[in-house]
Amino acid sequence: NAGVMQNPRHLVRRRGQEARLRCSPMKGHSHVYWYRQLPEEGLKFMVYLQKENIIDESGMPKERFSAEFPKEGPSILRIQQVVRGDSAAYFCASSPSSPDTQYFGPGTRLTVL
Amino acid sequence: AQKVTQAQTEISVVEKEDVTLDCVYETRDTTYYLFWYKQPPSGELVFLIRRNSFDEQNEISGRYSWNFQKSTSSFNFTITASQVVDSAVYFCALSEAWGSARQLTFGSGTQLTVLP
Repeated sequence: NAGVMQNPRHLVRRRGQEARLRCSPMKGHSHVYWYRQLPEEGLKFMVYLQKENIIDESGMPKERFSAEFPKEGPSILRIQQVVRGDSAAYFCASSPSSPDTQYFGPGTRLTVL
Repeated sequence: AQKVTQAQTEISVVEKEDVTLDCVYETRDTTYYLFWYKQPPSGELVFLIRRNSFDEQNEISGRYSWNFQKSTSSFNFTITASQVVDSAVYFCALSEAWGSARQLTFGSGTQLTVLP
């Protein structure tokens, strides 16, 4: 059973560009969570989604960030007009139900030049 | 509001020593889950254990053991006979068992270095 898949593993963007991060949950998991790990700030929750629904986006920055989990395909975290402060590791996790154990993907390291 | 405190920022031990990582949490919920995750130098987050708040039985898995003390709001993690491969950042985390919030609240992590 494959684990949580994230791609790309590393992403480099220039200021003002868009970043798209993808997450495929574990087989049988319909709950997806995104977290961000900023240097010196630890792991912070961003958003929780189920298929086609955003359940909790209380940790998402108000502007430039959005997330979706369509009926078909991976969950996408989208960052528009990236700034240097967006440089971080973005982790996706999935669980078969909620609340339940969240299993994490390998993360996407975003670097904004 | 939930809070997880890992007061030990960095710990360094010599191989084969035992080491305990501390975790103290705050929550108003009567039912909750506690977790430990490991982040090795390669960067991924590896799930180690989940403990339910209504189950205070301690757990042992090989060289790993966990001591859950509800009275002191602590969930400490002990590695016995540490090995170099145990070197990693270890995170303690908390989530509600009921209610609308499903996210994990993480502590700031403890960097464990095991020296040969």
